[in-house]
Amino acid sequence: GQQVMQIPQYQHVQEGEDFTTYCNSSTTLSNIQWYKQRPGGHPVFLIQLVKSGEVKKQKRLTFQFGEAKKNSSLHITATQTTDVGTYFCAESFQGGSEKLVFGKGTKLTVNP
Amino acid sequence: GAVVSQHPSRVICKSGTSVKIECRSLDFQATTMFWYRQFPKQSLMLMATSNEGSKATYEQGVEKDKFLINHASLTLSTLTVTSAHPEDSSFYICSAGKPSGGVETQYFGPGTRLLVL
Repeated sequence: GQQVMQIPQYQHVQEGEDFTTYCNSSTTLSNIQWYKQRPGGHPVFLIQLVKSGEVKKQKRLTFQFGEAKKNSSLHITATQTTDVGTYFCAESFQGGSEKLVFGKGTKLTVNP
Repeated sequence: GAVVSQHPSRVICKSGTSVKIECRSLDFQATTMFWYRQFPKQSLMLMATSNEGSKATYEQGVEKDKFLINHASLTLSTLTVTSAHPEDSSFYICSAGKPSGGVETQYFGPGTRLLVL
């Protein structure tokens, strides 16, 4: 079935360092959504990218959608301890159900 | 806002019993809700799509007779784990879609941790 591959699985950084997680698909994605899940919590929607080459920013977070719509990335500049959590990408299947298929996630830990 | 609640947040039950989990959209109506399962250190796996007024759509490999879904109203969906076994122990999360600026965003409930002894 449809699957988005996400790397790395884990990333440990020092506070202040940058962080990037990548999602890749062998097929063209209709769109990509990003979620953050804090330890013990539930996924929280961050953003959706739809257009080829789209770039969106939320403060220190930068989201990109590849020109071919087969990959996406989330970049955090100057990480803070509040950035700790697992970041998931997900593709939404718009066939009436809008169901999401999640990548495996990247778990980020930040050393203060 | 868009708030989704789940009840209970935690449940411990004996093997063989059934457990019902409720998912409610508190401030919006959702014709479609989704049920996910997440094992420790793993990603969310979609179990089924819950449709108000009709039968749920189950993902491949999910037993519909074991995981009963009822979408009784536009704000409530329930998942019943029947004859639960230890391997059903997991984090169950629901979500509901809400249109926002031309995009349908899914809002997740806080999840239910199920432990089957």
